[in-house]
Amino acid sequence: QSALTQPPSVSGSPGQSVTISCTGTSSDVGSSNHVSWYQQPPGTAPKLIIYDVSNRPSGVPDRFSGSKSGNTASLTISGLQAEDEGDYYCNSYTTSITWVFGGGTRLTVL
Amino acid sequence: EVQLVESGGGLVLPGGSLKLSCAGSGFILSGSAVHWVRQASGKGLEWIGRIRDKANNYVTSYAASLKGRFTISRDESKNAACLQMSGLKTEDTAVYYCTRGDFWRFDPWGQGTLVTVSS
Repeated sequence: QSALTQPPSVSGSPGQSVTISCTGTSSDVGSSNHVSWYQQPPGTAPKLIIYDVSNRPSGVPDRFSGSKSGNTASLTISGLQAEDEGDYYCNSYTTSITWVFGGGTRLTVL
Repeated sequence: EVQLVESGGGLVLPGGSLKLSCAGSGFILSGSAVHWVRQASGKGLEWIGRIRDKANNYVTSYAASLKGRFTISRDESKNAACLQMSGLKTEDTAVYYCTRGDFWRFDPWGQGTLVTVSS
């Protein structure tokens, strides 16, 4: 199972919006409603921010939103804040009853 | 507060074995699936495998690339899950996280334990 494809880095200024893509195949993202996103600030453990494509756990700001079209899922962060800096990972359940992560995207707030 | 705590990391020789433990706090871990995920320094997250709960017969699932060397089990008496690693290679050096499988998502995560495979 190959890792899902994410851009290595994205950046934006405070207040702007950025979108991170996550491309898989028909064996994972394309056939799964169970795509999740994780935020990992430097030196910390990952934290769940989106699950089941577009749902936010309690406590996660509504600036974070998720969507999916075909084999590609997306995470959009609006109203960028300095505290949003870090690495972001997508994850998908697969038809092999396994899970697979994306390679990760480093978000820089300029 | 719901928390997970990993332990058992350390330095091991290539070809050696190591067993990691993941203990739950603030909730009954035995009622949840547990996943293990690792992260080499400066690299991304890699899913290792999962064990379901007793009600689901402790069914396990593993990443194809690791199957055979890594085994996940549970210790109900300690409210814990374990990752047994054997035939360790230098490329297995990483921080190992456990995380609760909450349906198809991972939440919460432990703080991680570092495993270094080196001679």
